[in-house]
Parts: sequence; C-alpha cells; structure tokens
Amino acid sequence: KAGVTQTPRYLIKTRGQQVTLSCSPISGHRSVSWYQQTPGQGLQFLFEYFSETQRNKGNFPGRFSGRQFSNSRSEMNVSTLELGDSALYLCASSLAEHSYNSPLHFGNGTRLTVT
Amino acid sequence: GEDVEQSLFLSVREGDSSVINCTYTDSSSTYLYWYKQEPGAGLQLLTYIFSNMDMKQDQRLTVLLNKKDKHLSLRIADTQTGDSAIYFCAESFLSSGSARQLTFGSGTQLTVLP
Repeated sequence: KAGVTQTPRYLIKTRGQQVTLSCSPISGHRSVSWYQQTPGQGLQFLFEYFSETQRNKGNFPGRFSGRQFSNSRSEMNVSTLELGDSALYLCASSLAEHSYNSPLHFGNGTRLTVT
Repeated sequence: GEDVEQSLFLSVREGDSSVINCTYTDSSSTYLYWYKQEPGAGLQLLTYIFSNMDMKQDQRLTVLLNKKDKHLSLRIADTQTGDSAIYFCAESFLSSGSARQLTFGSGTQLTVLP
C-alpha cells in the first residue's frame, strides 16, 4: 500500500507570494492533518480535515488555510509568504477522525524556502 | 498548556541498548507515540501505547509508561548504526470539542557509534 504522498518535495518562493502544497493520504484514510516543522519551534499542528470538513485548527494566522476534497486528498495554502514561513510542511493521514485511536502516518514533507 | 519534554542528545555504542526518555503533562492523554525521523525524510511511526498499559514490546523496541509520573521511555535493544536518527515522543490530547491533536517533544538526536 502506498504511503502518504506530498508534492512538491521542494519549493522556493519569494516574500509576498502564495503557495499551494498537496497531499494524497494512504488509500482508505479519511483524515488528513498538517504540521509545520522548523528548527526553532519544532513540530506544530496546523489543521486537521475529515470528510472535507476542518475539524481542528492550530494557532496559526489566517494566511494559512487548507481544504480536503471528496477523495480525501488535501491541499494547504499559504498567502503573502513571510521569511518565517520557511519550514518543512508535513502531511499525515489516519483511518479515523480522531488521531488518538488511529495513529498518524506521515509523508516525507514539502520543504518550503521563502527568500 | 500541553507540553512534552525530551533530552536533546543521546550517544550509544553499536550493539548496546538505547533508552530515550520523555515526560508529558496532559493527564487526559489516551495514546502516546514514538516517531523516528531520518535526515531529509518525514516522520516514521515506530510504536504507540495506550495509556492504560504499562509496557509494550515490538521486536527490538520496548515502550515503558509510568502514568503516575507521566514518564514514557523507548528502549532500543542491540542498537545499530541505522538507528541513528531523531526520535520524537508525542501525546494525543483533547484540544477542542471532540477534536484531538498531537503535541510533539523537541526530539532526541540518537547517534550510534561504531
């Protein structure tokens, strides 16, 4: 069974631009979560989607948004990029709605660099 | 708020056992997880334990949970050079309504010396 697939693997953008990252979950998984990983802040929760609905959102500004499609694929968007948005963005999928009873399986991430 | 603490570095000799420790704060945590991250890669789920368990063993991995002290440990037996990576402890907690999320520790860099 294929794992979580994230595209693209690497992305370079300039300040002020916007970016869209894509995630395909493991087949049969209906929940998708996004995390940001930086050296300074570590792993921080962005949001979780289940059945095309955002179930939970972390403490990030409104410039960070996401959506989930009917086939469970998900995208996240960051508008008006800032230098501090440079990070590894990780997508994870799970079978069930709540990660506590269904572990998260992560993709290899998208490395975003903002210049 | 929820917090997960880990020591930053651990070095062991090849063939020895490694023990990575973690403390957490949320008493409502129901599952605790261990993930491994190799350079340039995402997080690989190693194992997880339900909070009503004290121990879980899976091949070379042993997880011990002391719920009273909110202490979790991961023991890797017969550590190999391929085990060199960053290990993250994570707890699942109830954040809002019925929604849960994971809080991760800062990660422990395990270095295995030949």
